Amino acid sequence: DAGVIQSPRHEVTEMGQEVTLRCKPISGHDYLFWYRQTMMRGLELLIYFNNNVPIDDSGMPEDRFSAKMPNASFSTLKIQPSEPRDSAVYFCASTPGQLKAYEAFFGQGTRLTVV
Amino acid sequence: AQTVTQSQPEMSVQEAETVTLSCTYDTSENNYYLFWYKQPPSRQMILVIRQEAYKQQNATENRFSVNFQKAAKSFSLKISDSQLGDTAMYFCASSNTGKLIFGQGTTLQVKP
Repeated sequence: DAGVIQSPRHEVTEMGQEVTLRCKPISGHDYLFWYRQTMMRGLELLIYFNNNVPIDDSGMPEDRFSAKMPNASFSTLKIQPSEPRDSAVYFCASTPGQLKAYEAFFGQGTRLTVV
Repeated sequence: AQTVTQSQPEMSVQEAETVTLSCTYDTSENNYYLFWYKQPPSRQMILVIRQEAYKQQNATENRFSVNFQKAAKSFSLKISDSQLGDTAMYFCASSNTGKLIFGQGTTLQVKP
């Protein structure tokens, strides 16, 4: 398996524009997580899915953020409209679930810069 | 609430020496898992070691070992014979019922 695949690797956008980050989890993994990493806040859990269903979105900062998982092999994180304070590295991770102790496999991350 | 705390933002160690990174956590669950992840400058998150809470024996992986104190909710990472390639940010994490929460991270610098 190629691992968790995120796209794009880097994104530079202007304030007010819509940004969509994409993630393909490892096949067979039951859980998918979106994290945001900044110097100030570290790794924050934004939302996670179990079997494509959002379980906990309490970490989503505000209504400008939304996430979907239309099927087991694809998820998106959308920011609309984007703001400079959204600049961060966004990670997607997947885990196989309880039987394998929830070991998380991470994508390479998307570095988002909003100017 | 599930929380993970790393109280050491930065640490340094001389090459070949031993260093211990601290982590405390809080959970109301009885069955959970604890992890240490390494993030080198490449940004890739790499699993270093894993501990299952119901196992009393401390996990070890080559030069990496943990001191798991369940009653104290403490989960420290010991790196023996430190190598320059160990320079990275280290994250402690806990997981129960699938939710994976990370601490703030500790930046470790291994000096030659």
